[in-house]
Amino acid sequence: SQTIHQWPATLVQPVGSPLSLECTVEGTSNPNLYWYRQAAGRGLQLLFYSVGIGQISSEVPQNLSASRPQDRQFILSSKKLLLSDSGFYLCAWRSERGANEQYFGPGTRLTVT
Amino acid sequence: GNSVTQMEGPVTLSEEAFLTINCTYTATGYPSLFWYVQYPGEGLQLLLKATKADDKGSNKGFEATYRKETTSFHLEKGSVQVSDSAVYFCARSTGGFKTIFGAGTRLFVKA
Repeated sequence: SQTIHQWPATLVQPVGSPLSLECTVEGTSNPNLYWYRQAAGRGLQLLFYSVGIGQISSEVPQNLSASRPQDRQFILSSKKLLLSDSGFYLCAWRSERGANEQYFGPGTRLTVT
Repeated sequence: GNSVTQMEGPVTLSEEAFLTINCTYTATGYPSLFWYVQYPGEGLQLLLKATKADDKGSNKGFEATYRKETTSFHLEKGSVQVSDSAVYFCARSTGGFKTIFGAGTRLFVKA
């Protein structure tokens, strides 16, 4: 069966510091991968998605970037965090079989102070 | 365009009450439809899905029927429990790589 991991689970970072969030998927190959952000009490905002190694599509111009160095690894980064980067970051992978549903990781709670 | 609209919350119910959360979508073609649930501090979990008109998705006592004529996919449960308190998201596929999510509806169930 497939599993998706995210770490760290929680992170408190000062403004201007760098960021690296990691997501890995097990049990599937060549998945489509996604990064979402969820502000407190709000819906999902798609940040990036990737259909293969080195292929990144950005949905919202902002202070963040993404990379996919390996087939089942997806990294979200920032060189200098802003207060507005605070939120709950969710990684997801999509099944290419059946209904193309997405499966989400446990999330990373980021607080920028 | 492609969009998903779901009823605003919060929805507050007493235990064993009947639940309906409305969801409508706009689309060309025949998207797959989904309901996800998010418990506090966790990621989203797929609750149920339907891939074509008149399909009924069901799981854990929740049901939703794909209604093409009304472009709706309303979530229902006959008797809610306190443990059902969560945020529920309606979503649809786009035919491409993305999934469109509704804004979410928060459900509170009181004992």
